[in-house]
Parts: sequence; structure tokens; C-alpha cells
Amino acid sequence: DVKVTQSSRYLVKRTGEKVFLECVQDMDHENMFWYRQDPGLGLRLIYFSYDVKMKEKGDIPEGYSVSREKKERFSLILESASTNQTSMYLCASSEGNTIYFGEGSWLTVV
Amino acid sequence: QKEVEQNSGPLSVPEGAIASLNCTYSDRGSQSFFWYRQYSGKSPELIMFIYSNGDKEDGRFTAQLNKASQYVSLLIRDSQPSDSATYLCAVRAGNMLTFGGGTRLMVKP
Repeated sequence: DVKVTQSSRYLVKRTGEKVFLECVQDMDHENMFWYRQDPGLGLRLIYFSYDVKMKEKGDIPEGYSVSREKKERFSLILESASTNQTSMYLCASSEGNTIYFGEGSWLTVV
Repeated sequence: QKEVEQNSGPLSVPEGAIASLNCTYSDRGSQSFFWYRQYSGKSPELIMFIYSNGDKEDGRFTAQLNKASQYVSLLIRDSQPSDSATYLCAVRAGNMLTFGGGTRLMVKP
């Protein structure tokens, strides 16, 4: 079974803190993605990566950065968390027409 | 910006009826079209995808694609209460997968 693992499921962080969300996939997929999901807005793409050290901005990259030092790991970084970044974050990896999602990370910024 | 539009619902249907979910997209270069189901508090799971005009059937689900009208739909036959969920349409262009806002479906016993 393909597995996309998000290590932190529920986090509460303070405004201004640096936040790391980690994602690991075990299927040697080239493509990995970070989305955020807010009620009524569906999934919005923050960043994606199609290879190690390669990244592309998605629709809402502001306030976020990413790191992909190894093929299996794709990290989302909030340099200085703000309350409007309170959301559910979904990591995904894909090969061909199939995309696999992690379980999600619920982040609350207070 | 590429857009994928869905009616947010809720769409309410009685058990055993056909549920029809619709999605429009703006990017004519889109290549593949996906339907995901998402239960509350869970991550999306793929139902099916389609990339050619016409219908594609998989069990109780039928996806319909009309590229000229930039329209994709999902029909669920013999709807069950367990089908109650949010259904997300997604459109792929290159490596980018863009999601709609989702339609909430409620199937009433």
C-alpha cells in the first residue's frame, strides 16, 4: 500500500513562530504537493515539487516555503506563522494519474 | 488563474435515487479530470478519473466529460447514506492538479 505520512496531525502554534510540517512518501514518486483546505474553498495548492531540490509555486505560496532535500520527503515551512494560516494542510504525492494524500495536519495559530 | 467551479450544495437526494454532481473548468489545456470523495475529517480518496469525451462507468459511478463545454459531471446511481460526503472535482494540466471547492452530498434514508 502506498503511504503518505504527515508526522504532525494536530498542532497549536503562536503567532510569529516558525512551523515545519513534514511529509514522507514511500513509493519513490517524483511529484509531491502541499495543499491547504479551508471550508468552501476546496484544496488550494501552495507548492509542488517534481524532483529533489525542484519546486514550483502553486496558487497561494505567500507566507510559505518548502524544502525537498530527499525524494521521499517534502517539508512545508511557515517562516512566521499568522492566524490566517490556521487551516488543514494536506500533503500528496503522485505518479501518472494517481495522487495519494496524507491524513492531513490541522494547524491552529493563536 | 485556472478555475474549477462546483456548487457547494448541500445536494440532498433520497436513498436509491441518482445523485448528479457538476463541475466546470476554465483551462482548455486541461488533460485529465478527477472525482474525489472526502468524508468529514478525512483526506480525499479517488473515485475515478476521465480524460476522453464521453462517459466512463465504474460500478455505481459514471463520470461524464464534455471538453467543448468545459464540463465534467459525476452520477451516483442507487445512492446510499454512506455516499454522504463532500465530492471534489479536480482538473489536471501538466503536473498541476487544481481542485474545485467541493459539493456536499446528503443521502437521506
